[in-house]
Amino acid sequence: GQSLEQPSEVTAVEGAIVQMNCTYQTSGFYGLSWYQQHDGGAPTFLSYNALDGLEETGRFSSFLSRSDSYGYLLLQELQMKDSASYFCAVRTTDSWGKLQFGAGTQVVVTP
Amino acid sequence: KAGVTQTPRYLIKTRGQQVTLSCSPISGHRSVSWYQQTPGQGLQFLFEYFSETQRNKGNFPGRFSGRQFSNSRSEMNVSTLELGDSALYLCASSLTGVGTDTQYFGPGTRLTVL
Repeated sequence: GQSLEQPSEVTAVEGAIVQMNCTYQTSGFYGLSWYQQHDGGAPTFLSYNALDGLEETGRFSSFLSRSDSYGYLLLQELQMKDSASYFCAVRTTDSWGKLQFGAGTQVVVTP
Repeated sequence: KAGVTQTPRYLIKTRGQQVTLSCSPISGHRSVSWYQQTPGQGLQFLFEYFSETQRNKGNFPGRFSGRQFSNSRSEMNVSTLELGDSALYLCASSLTGVGTDTQYFGPGTRLTVL
C-alpha cells in the first residue's frame, strides 16, 4: 500500500526553527509536495521536491531523500502566522490527478 | 490570474437530501480533482476530471458523483446525504493532473448534514 507518516504536533517559540518529517511507503512517485493549511482555510502549496536534495523558498526549505523514503519541511524564523497544519503529499506514477496526503503536522507557535 | 473558486462556501442540508457543489479552476487548467476533508480521515481523494472525462476515482460510494464541462468547470453531487458526509469539500486544479504538476486548492465548501 501507500502511506505517508507525519508527527501529529510540533510546538515551538517565535523566532525558532522547526522541522517536520514525512516518511513514506510508496512505489513510484513523481515528487514530494508540502501544503500549509490554516484552520478553516484551504491547503496552500508551499514547496515541491522532484529530485533528492534541498529546495529553499524564503523561510521555508524542503528536503527529499528517495533512498531513505524520507522528506522534511523546515521553517525558519518562526512567526505566529506559521501556526497551521502542514501536509506532505505525493502523486504516484500510476495515478492521475490524485495526491496522497499524510495526516498532517499541526505546528503551534508560542510567543 | 484568479485562483480556484468554489461555490457555495457553506451549506446546511438534512439527511436524505442531495447537494451540488461547483468549482471553477484556474484559467488554463484542465484537470480538476475533488477531495473530502474530515478531522478523522484527513484529506481523501474523491475523483479527478480532465477534458470532461473522469480519469481517476477514490474509494467513495456511488452517491458521490461529478462531472466536468467543456470550460473545465466541475461540479460534484452527493445524493441521499448522510450525517457522515459533513465535511469540507475541496477542489484543486492543475494544468494536466499528471507528472510534476502542482495542484492548487480552492477555499472549499463546508457541508453540514443535520
